[in-house]
Amino acid sequence: GENVEQHPSTLSVQEGDSAVIKCTYSDSASNYFPWYKQELGKRPQLIIDIRSNVGEKKDQRIAVTLNKTAKHFSLHITETQPEDSAVYFCAPKTSYDKVIFGPGTSLSVIP
Amino acid sequence: DAMVIQNPRYQVTQFGKPVTLSCSQTLNHNVMYWYQQKSSQAPKLLFHYYDKDFNNEADTPDNFQSRRPNTSFCFLDIRSPGLGDAAMYLCATSSDRGGTEAFFGQGTRLTVV
Repeated sequence: GENVEQHPSTLSVQEGDSAVIKCTYSDSASNYFPWYKQELGKRPQLIIDIRSNVGEKKDQRIAVTLNKTAKHFSLHITETQPEDSAVYFCAPKTSYDKVIFGPGTSLSVIP
Repeated sequence: DAMVIQNPRYQVTQFGKPVTLSCSQTLNHNVMYWYQQKSSQAPKLLFHYYDKDFNNEADTPDNFQSRRPNTSFCFLDIRSPGLGDAAMYLCATSSDRGGTEAFFGQGTRLTVV
């Protein structure tokens, strides 16, 4: 079956530093690569996504890069702020529009 | 405007008593998903519908079933809830055109007593 992994599982950074989370997936037919942010007790919230015909996408402090050959994509957050503290999930869309979540990365931004 | 609506937000059920969670959508998406999310874990896919085709994950317990009577509605039935089934249940929808995001409902928090 499909396998989705994330690294690291926990990440602690000083406010203003950058954070990078990597997601690897196994289904080469995957064609959509989103990152979700989830705060305690809330639903996952889409923060950025990339499609398989694009290598990099940026939205203010957040960027996503995709390496389809190597089957991984990464979330980059620059100038981190305390409100960036949350759990982040990658959730690539696989064959037949199946969405499988990675195990998550807990990000803590220390003021 | 709410696009994916789950009812109820909070559900308390007795051990072994069947319970049904509901999800409705106004997006006319033909793909719908049910996830189970336990504390400090990732959402785990239980079922998804690709149009009328029903797909359950290999490790989804037989205690869980799903129904989709039409495009707009989807139900999750738990036949005999156990204490281990207490979790947040998330419904989501997506277009089948590929390369499109999934929209999540607010979830139903299930407590088993």
